[in-house]
Amino acid sequence: GENVEQHPSTLSVQEGDSAVIKCTYSDSASNYFPWYKQELGKGPQLIIDIRSNVGEKKDQRIAVTLNKTAKHFSLHITETQPEDSAVYFCAASSSNTGKLIFGQGTTLQVKP
Amino acid sequence: EPEVTQTPSHQVTQMGQEVILRCVPISNHLYFYWYRQILGQKVEFLVSFYNNEISEKSEIFDDQFSVERPDGSNFTLKIRSTKLEDSAMYFCASSPNIADEKLFFGSGTQLSVL
Repeated sequence: GENVEQHPSTLSVQEGDSAVIKCTYSDSASNYFPWYKQELGKGPQLIIDIRSNVGEKKDQRIAVTLNKTAKHFSLHITETQPEDSAVYFCAASSSNTGKLIFGQGTTLQVKP
Repeated sequence: EPEVTQTPSHQVTQMGQEVILRCVPISNHLYFYWYRQILGQKVEFLVSFYNNEISEKSEIFDDQFSVERPDGSNFTLKIRSTKLEDSAMYFCASSPNIADEKLFFGSGTQLSVL
């Protein structure tokens, strides 16, 4: 069935360093790949997304890349700040019904 | 900024009891969803809802589950006879249109079945 694998499960970086989180998906029909950030006590918040007709998308310090051939996509955060500390989830969708298949989540800690 | 609101934030119930989890989606959104996250596991899709009917549901969403939009603002998830394994964080989400697929999530209801 559909599956999304996410790595690493935890990531600790120094403030100012870059962080990279990687995901692979199994369903070749997947065409939408959002990334969510979840802070303590809150629900997942969409931070960036990419569609299958695009290879890369950037929004200030965050960027997402997609390799359809390899079926993997990555989140890149540059110049990390302590407020970037959170759990990050990747997801994939192919159904156009809002059904997202989530990865396991990555706990990012940015040390000041 | 508009947000999805969920009540209660925590719900404790006895096994076999019925629970209703409530959500108020963003006002101009048309598509509504329930997801859940069992502690230590992935966020899982339960159901999507549009135009007063279910669009898609997962294997988890069996006959014990139902959803309803009883008025113009609320969206509810009912579990008829709760089981221990229903203990999880339940997230409601909404989106303005399906083509966009940008889901906005609420803060969740932590359901504990004892």
